[in-house]
Parts: sequence; C-alpha cells; structure tokens
Amino acid sequence: EVQLVESGGGLLQPGGSLRLSCAASGFAFNTYAMTWVRQAPGKGLEWVSTINRDDSTYYSDSVKGRFTISRDNSENTLFLQMNSLRAVDTAVYYCAREMTGQYWYFDLWGRGTLVTVSS
Amino acid sequence: DIQMTQSPSSLSASVGDRVTITCRASQSISTYLNWYHQKPGKAPKLLIYAASSLQSGVPLRFSGSGSGTDFTLTISSLQPEDFATYYCQQSSSSPYTFGQGTKLEIK
Repeated sequence: EVQLVESGGGLLQPGGSLRLSCAASGFAFNTYAMTWVRQAPGKGLEWVSTINRDDSTYYSDSVKGRFTISRDNSENTLFLQMNSLRAVDTAVYYCAREMTGQYWYFDLWGRGTLVTVSS
Repeated sequence: DIQMTQSPSSLSASVGDRVTITCRASQSISTYLNWYHQKPGKAPKLLIYAASSLQSGVPLRFSGSGSGTDFTLTISSLQPEDFATYYCQQSSSSPYTFGQGTKLEIK
C-alpha cells in the first residue's frame, strides 16, 4: 500500500528538541522530493520544509536555522529535527510526497503527528 | 512571499448545489495552482493540480480554472462527502503558500 506514516510527536517545553519521522512505503521513495507541512490548532496549512532527490533543502523563514530536514533512502524515511522549539511551533506536522516536473504539488499525505510546545 | 486569498472564508450549501470557491494570488503564478480539501481530523487530499488538472481518482464533479492571479474551484453537484475545508496553494515560487481556507458547511 502506498502510504506515509508520521511519528515522533509529543508534548515538550519551550526550548526543547524533537525529531519527527515519516515512514514511506509502496513507492520509490528515493525518486521523490518530500515535504513537511504543519497546521496549528484551528488554523490553515503552512509549508515548513522540502528536501529534493539530490538532498537540496529549503525552509520557511519561520523555522530556518532551527529545523533540519533529512532523509534516509535506505530506510525510506523522512526526518525533521526540530530544535529551540517555541509555542508557535505547536501544530500537527504532516509529511507529503511532492510531485515535481513541469508542475509541483503534494499528491500523497500522511495522517500527521501532533507536536505541542507548552510550559 | 506570494499571498493567496480565498473567498468566501465559509460557505453554506445543500446537497446537489453548484458551488464555486475563488482564490486570488498577490502576483501572477501562471497555472501553478493546486486545490486540496481536508475533513476534520484528516490529512489534506489533492483535488486539482496545475489549475485545472483533475487528480487521479477525484470525482468529475470537481473542476478548476484560471490563470495568472485569479482561480476558481467548482463543485458541480455537492455530495455529502464534499463538506470539508478547501485550500488553494501556489507552487510558482518558494515558499509554497496556501490560502487561508474555505469551510464548506451543510445548509
């Protein structure tokens, strides 16, 4: 089955660190760009970070310097290392597969993992 | 960053109605526009990419149009499973920004 499954979310205090994982199955993971999108409680969708097939990476200004995206193609897994967490980072974090070529869009999403940053 | 503005923010409609949601970009994005919908507690689902291309498996009652700065998503005959929040997203330039969402509710 083609799917993405996130894990690693939890409750932590401001300033803490967390590593999210996204396990991919059913498709050739190493041939796709992968992305993290987050959604704060009751809010809309916010693009966070993308890693391309060549391991080039991109970040939103709100997480640049604090978050690091990476991938392990041998394990078909996407990661998001989150440091110096703030209350505003509280959100459901989704991983998504990105179709690239003439157009770019997210065609497969995981169910998300909740990160809560609170003292 | 390119700003995406959807209208309306919320909409009440009945099963069988024809519904149109609008998305406007703060600058021209050609046809680099995607539509998703999201049901409560669920992940977003891709409906339309490249402004008017229907994603595989998505019912034909969904259609998209537009180019440049103005885009529309139309549902020709609302079904019960279509009540959700709809988001547009531009993929013309990074960061890939989303609209604020349009919540489609049952009248």
